[in-house]
Amino acid sequence: QGQLVESGGGVVQPGRSLRLSCATSGFTFSGFGFHWVRQAPGKGLEWVAVIWYDGSNKYYVDSVKGRFTISRDNSKNTLYLQMNSLRAEDTAMYYCARDSYYGSGISYYFDYWGQGTLVTVSS
Amino acid sequence: DIQMTQSPSTLSASVGDRVTITCRASQSISSWLAWYQHKPGKAPKLLMYKASSLESGVPSRFSGSGSGTEFTLTISSLQPDDFATYYCQQYSSYSLTFGGGTKVEIK
Repeated sequence: QGQLVESGGGVVQPGRSLRLSCATSGFTFSGFGFHWVRQAPGKGLEWVAVIWYDGSNKYYVDSVKGRFTISRDNSKNTLYLQMNSLRAEDTAMYYCARDSYYGSGISYYFDYWGQGTLVTVSS
Repeated sequence: DIQMTQSPSTLSASVGDRVTITCRASQSISSWLAWYQHKPGKAPKLLMYKASSLESGVPSRFSGSGSGTEFTLTISSLQPDDFATYYCQQYSSYSLTFGGGTKVEIK
């Protein structure tokens, strides 16, 4: 059974930076792609970014391109999201999610999720 | 981006009821659709993928159907553990998008 635990959320001022982490266990981290998905208060889910199993490919939703960077450390079984130039509209619960595909590909749907970490951007 | 529209946004039902949630895509997504269940404070849970494939460990009272632009998630006999919000998600394009959610409430 896979486990994903997010951390690093908090209250931050507009324009500042924050780095989220997602620690994983119970499966071979290096064999899977991963995603970040967020949910603003009272809103639905929004996909944010994806990274391939080996870090070779990364894609982002348009609203975070150039500001957010997804990365991973396969030696630490950990996924990251570096968030720069934060805006009020980035306020959300951020979830990490495992892509269901094992190996050199991405299925683009998610079979394990964490419980989320809350990011609040406010002055 | 492909827009996903769910209906209804809220559904009131009783234990034992048959429940159907609809998800419509703004363009054809073939069968590249997943369904998730989400409870407050919990991790979302994958229920269905490829429109009608049941994820391992998910009860058989859940079923999915559809292709192209119209899809349904059906719970054949609603159980107390099923009260939650349900989301569809298309993965036809890598700009992934979700429906707005359907909250299933106790009647």
